[in-house]
Amino acid sequence: SQQGEEDPQALSIQEGENATMNCSYKTSINNLQWYRQNSGRGLVHLILIRSNEREKHSGRLRVTLDTSKKSSSLLITASRAADTASYFCATATGTASKLTFGTGTRLQVTL
Amino acid sequence: NAGVMQNPRHLVRRRGQEARLRCSPMKGHSHVYWYRQLPEEGLKFMVYLQKENIIDESGMPKERFSAEFPKEGPSILRIQQVVRGDSAAYFCASSRTDLNTEAFFGQGTRLTVV
Repeated sequence: SQQGEEDPQALSIQEGENATMNCSYKTSINNLQWYRQNSGRGLVHLILIRSNEREKHSGRLRVTLDTSKKSSSLLITASRAADTASYFCATATGTASKLTFGTGTRLQVTL
Repeated sequence: NAGVMQNPRHLVRRRGQEARLRCSPMKGHSHVYWYRQLPEEGLKFMVYLQKENIIDESGMPKERFSAEFPKEGPSILRIQQVVRGDSAAYFCASSRTDLNTEAFFGQGTRLTVV
């Protein structure tokens, strides 16, 4: 089973609205990383949040981490059409030798 | 500062041929990871290498697949005697140390087996 599960699987919003994506995981983590993937392209690293951190910001992105609930959320404020992509969370655990990815949230931002 | 470079971007192979995928990590990164992505799915870990060493190959199929990261040159993922089920996007990532730091991905190699 997936270590990370994103919710929702798909999200459609209008430009200017905020988009919230959630990620749940099963085991204790060292850190959690969020990535964006445009169709047919590679992954772009967005934010890394460590297990002892609760919130991080980067531009229009805000990531929270609740280790008691084993969940994280990614908030994109004032969305743009260019934010249309799939968003993945990935967790690093134990020896930090690999990232375990969820199945992703497909975000569609319409004009 | 170039990012993670993968080549080729697209690779077509007939069943039974060999596929070689190359990955040059970011400058200053000595940790390399290979992942496979099937359509509409997330990425699945295959192997983690440091220079001249395989650290974790728990996600690598036992047969036909191998990976190396020599002292000089790029990391290579090699698939022998390809089958249609090997068709996928293969991504390489690199990090400065282990995954307690950010991992950066290349653009991927899309392998099609015909």
